[in-house]
Amino acid sequence: QSALTQPASVSGSPGQSITISCTGTSSDVGGYNYVSWYQQHPGKAPKLMIYDVSNRPSGVSNRFSGSKSGNTASLTISGLQAEDEADYYCSSYTSSSTVFGTGTKVTVL
Amino acid sequence: QVQLVQSGAEVKKPGSSVKVSCKASGGTFSSYAISWVRQAPGQGLEWMGGIIPIFGTANYAQKFQGRVTITADESTSTAYMELSSLRSEDTAVYYCARDRCSGGSCYPYSSFDYWGQGTLVTVSS
Repeated sequence: QSALTQPASVSGSPGQSITISCTGTSSDVGGYNYVSWYQQHPGKAPKLMIYDVSNRPSGVSNRFSGSKSGNTASLTISGLQAEDEADYYCSSYTSSSTVFGTGTKVTVL
Repeated sequence: QVQLVQSGAEVKKPGSSVKVSCKASGGTFSSYAISWVRQAPGQGLEWMGGIIPIFGTANYAQKFQGRVTITADESTSTAYMELSSLRSEDTAVYYCARDRCSGGSCYPYSSFDYWGQGTLVTVSS
């Protein structure tokens, strides 16, 4: 199972919006509405930010939103803040397993 | 509040095996799938496999088939991951993670809302 494809880095200024893409295939992203997004700060465990394409767990800011079109899912962070600077990973369910994306480093300028 | 507490760091020789534990507390253990995810230094997340304790059958990523064994002990709410034939490329932080939901319409291993603190496994001669 190949990793999902994400851009290596995305940057934005405070207050701006950024979008991270996550491209897979019809066997994973395109085949199921089970795309998740995780935020990971250096030295920390990942944190679930979005599940089932567009749902936010309790406690996650509504500045984070998710969507999907075909084989590509997206995470949008609006009103970018300094604490959003982190690595972000998408994942997708696929046939009794899951596959992660390659990861995107978000830099707040 | 659910907590997953993993065993401590390990240093292993190439060709040996390592077994990492993940003890759950504060929630229902048996019906939620537990996955193992690893992260090599400076690299991304990689799903290795998982288990639903109440069923006892594990699923493994193809890459690790034959080299990893995931088990669970319901009596102690502890999951284990054993990786054999270690090589230097297995040096990584290994995380356990619990599924966000269980049963019904939930697909196991689809999203993880609780994570352990990570266990660093270093493979070096």
